[in-house]
Amino acid sequence: DAGVIQSPRHEVTEMGQEVTLRCKLISGHNSLFWYRQTMMRGLELLIYFNNNVPIDDSGMPEDRFSAKMPNASFSTLKIQPSEPRDSAVYFCASSLQGRPEAFFGQGTRLTVV
Amino acid sequence: AQTVTQSQPEMSVQEAETVTLSCTYDTSESDYYLFWYKQPPSRQMILVIRQEAYKQQNATENRFSVNFQKAAKSFSLKISDSQLGDAAMYFCAYSRWRASGSRLTFGEGTQLTVNP
Repeated sequence: DAGVIQSPRHEVTEMGQEVTLRCKLISGHNSLFWYRQTMMRGLELLIYFNNNVPIDDSGMPEDRFSAKMPNASFSTLKIQPSEPRDSAVYFCASSLQGRPEAFFGQGTRLTVV
Repeated sequence: AQTVTQSQPEMSVQEAETVTLSCTYDTSESDYYLFWYKQPPSRQMILVIRQEAYKQQNATENRFSVNFQKAAKSFSLKISDSQLGDAAMYFCAYSRWRASGSRLTFGEGTQLTVNP
């Protein structure tokens, strides 16, 4: 089985531009998590979904960030407009609802210049 | 709120020897899960081992084992017969299991170096 697939692996963009990160869940999983990793703050949860419904978005830093699940197997995280402080590695993870293990994608390294 | 603390930013071990990474956590819950994840230079977060709080028996996965002390809220990872491929950042994580999902709270991480 394919694992969680994220794209792109690397993204470099200019301040003010829109950035869209993509994630494909493991087949059959129905919980989706977006995490951000920085040196200063470590790994922090941004938002998570169960069965396509956002459950907790309290970790989303600002209104510039938005996440969607247009279908059961796919999610996007959008930053508009992007700022240099958004530079980080963004991870997507999925799990089977009711199961504790979360499986991570390889992350997207975002650099905003 | 739950917190996870890893007090060792860096550790090193000689190849073939044993190393123990420390983790403490704080929670008022009685039902939860604890994990160790490994993050090698490839950046992939890899699940190493999992422990259910209601189980007294310590989890073991090949060369990896944990020492789970529920009363002390301690959850250490022991790596036996260390290999060069074990070199990575290791994260301790907590999950309060409930039907609506399994969000993780991570510690700060411990960078493990394996010396040949």
